[in-house]
Amino acid sequence: QKEVEQDPGPLSVPEGAIVSLNCTYSNSAFQYFMWYRQYSRKGPELLMYTYSSGNKEDGRFTAQVDKSSKYISLFIRDSQPSDSATYLCAMIPSGGYQKVTFGTGTKLQVIP
Amino acid sequence: ETGVTQSPTHLIKTRGQQVTLRCSSQSGHNTVSWYQQALGQGPQFIFQYYREEENGRGNFPPRFSGLQFPNYSSELNVNALELDDSALYLCASSLRDRVGEGSYEQYFGPGTRLTVT
Repeated sequence: QKEVEQDPGPLSVPEGAIVSLNCTYSNSAFQYFMWYRQYSRKGPELLMYTYSSGNKEDGRFTAQVDKSSKYISLFIRDSQPSDSATYLCAMIPSGGYQKVTFGTGTKLQVIP
Repeated sequence: ETGVTQSPTHLIKTRGQQVTLRCSSQSGHNTVSWYQQALGQGPQFIFQYYREEENGRGNFPPRFSGLQFPNYSSELNVNALELDDSALYLCASSLRDRVGEGSYEQYFGPGTRLTVT
């Protein structure tokens, strides 16, 4: 079993829809949770960063962390065609700056 | 402020050869991490360099090695290339104040796509 599980998709939604992307994890030591966006043939771009449990909002993006369920989510409101990309969740354990563990990524397509 | 740059962009090598990939960190950053991303997969952590010393390593064999220079740029060296080494190699830089603490935000370069035939 992988430490971080993420549905690879692809996920296709119409423009303007609310998108929900999710990851589950098994390592209870994970304390730092990130979401990256990766366009084709590009490096990942940091979108959201959350420490421990709770919610964080930034514009159209909301990140949620539920440590009791070992479940994290990224919501995208009013999705745009420019949001079409692969979304990667990533996690770091407490004191474990050395190693970031990524999910496999979910490919999202927003249809105009 | 300049971003993370990597060279070369693409590379084709033959099985058994050696390769060196290069990364220039973002201005002001002192830590570089290297990742391997196979097609359709998330990046896998190879190792991290902080102030010219390896500081953490993932599940990669010793034929993957690296260096960090005084200007915080870095190299990834892979010896005895195998077909499975074909992947996108990413470097990420960050600012880390001291061991065990610092920013967890990493900024990635565009990657080097390595093909081993």
